[in-house]
Amino acid sequence: QVQLVQSGAEVKKPGASVKVSCKASGYTLISYYIHWLRQAPGQGLEWMGWINPNSGATNYAQKFQGRVTMTRDTSISTAYMEVDRLTSDDTAVYYCARDLQGGSYYFDFWGQGALVTVSS
Amino acid sequence: SSELTQDPAVSVALGQTVRITCRGDSLGGYYASWYQQKPGQAPLLVIYGTNNRPSGIPDRFSGSSSGNTASLTITGAQAEDEADYYCNCRDSSVNHVIFGGGTKLTVL
Repeated sequence: QVQLVQSGAEVKKPGASVKVSCKASGYTLISYYIHWLRQAPGQGLEWMGWINPNSGATNYAQKFQGRVTMTRDTSISTAYMEVDRLTSDDTAVYYCARDLQGGSYYFDFWGQGALVTVSS
Repeated sequence: SSELTQDPAVSVALGQTVRITCRGDSLGGYYASWYQQKPGQAPLLVIYGTNNRPSGIPDRFSGSSSGNTASLTITGAQAEDEADYYCNCRDSSVNHVIFGGGTKLTVL
């Protein structure tokens, strides 16, 4: 069965960076785009961008351009999302999600989420 | 950039029908998808495209679209349908994704 398993919770200080991983199983990573989204406490969902695991191409939301980097390691079926220069506003649960088909922007499988807390 | 607007909260009596709406200019060009999210859980895709349900989603969930409005209808709401519901679609101005603010559904 398809699964996306994310890395664990992190606590970071303002100005630091965080890198969240998303390991895919039950399918071939390179066959589907991976999107990253986040949800601040008590708030709605916010899309951050996608990576095409086959080519490595990325597309970031304007808000995160220059501060977010999405990568992948196809040898271990894992996608990564790194956020630099963290502030308290980046405290959120970060999700990876699989694109249902070729950039459809429908997210059919989700990781369990990784809570990132930014606090001094 | 574009926005999607949802009513913050909706309630429905057990077994009755409820419609959750999502409005935005981008919906005039792209279909919405709908996600159910229960407390402490990741979102779950319930409707995508014209009116498609992923495997395992009950057929009481359906979707429709007219102009700049997309709707999620639950016919015969069950207690387990109580959750937050989010719509999303592609932003028509850039190749990005936008979400509605979410609707909290209460089943009475």
